Amino acid sequence: EVQLVESGGGLVQPGGSLRLSCAASGFTFSNYWMSWVRQAPGKGLEWVANIKQDGSVKYYVDSVKGRFTISRDNAKNSLYLQMNSLRAEDTAVYYCASLRYSSTWYWADPWGQGTLVTVSS
Amino acid sequence: DIQMTQAPSSLSASLGDGVTITCRASQSVSSCLNWYQQKPGKAPNLLIFAASSLQSGVPSRFSGSGSGTDFTLTISSLQPEDFATYYCQQSCSIPWTFGQGTKVEI
Repeated sequence: EVQLVESGGGLVQPGGSLRLSCAASGFTFSNYWMSWVRQAPGKGLEWVANIKQDGSVKYYVDSVKGRFTISRDNAKNSLYLQMNSLRAEDTAVYYCASLRYSSTWYWADPWGQGTLVTVSS
Repeated sequence: DIQMTQAPSSLSASLGDGVTITCRASQSVSSCLNWYQQKPGKAPNLLIFAASSLQSGVPSRFSGSGSGTDFTLTISSLQPEDFATYYCQQSCSIPWTFGQGTKVEI
């Protein structure tokens, strides 16, 4: 069964750091781009970052550039999101997702269950 | 950034009704358009990819169409499990962007 399981969320003070993890199983993790998407409480979905299969290419939404770092360890079938200088507006459920593609089209499937990050003093 | 605008933001419908949700992009996204369904407290679930391709396991009452800037998601006959929020997403241009969501209620 294809599965993604996030962990590492929690309560952190503004300006603090947190590292999220996403454990993949049931598919060949190293063959796929991966993504982080977040959802603030009661709000819509926001794409955060993508990483290529070998980790050589990374993309970020402007609001997290310079503060968040996406990475992966293919030997451990794991995806990470290092979040520094956290702000209240980073409060959200963070989902990891595997990216599938055909030609130039990409889509996210499957998704993990999400991990909640709360930034508050 | 490409802005994705969904209409309506919410709708009320009955079991068996046909429903259409539209998604408009601020510039062309070709067919790089996906649709997701999300139920409260759950992760999004892929319904349609590349504008009109039905994801494996998704009921055939769901269909997608469009290209360029205008897209639609159609549910031909609403079932109880279809009451949820639906999001479109473009994956043509970084940053990838989502529509604001359409909540389908009874």
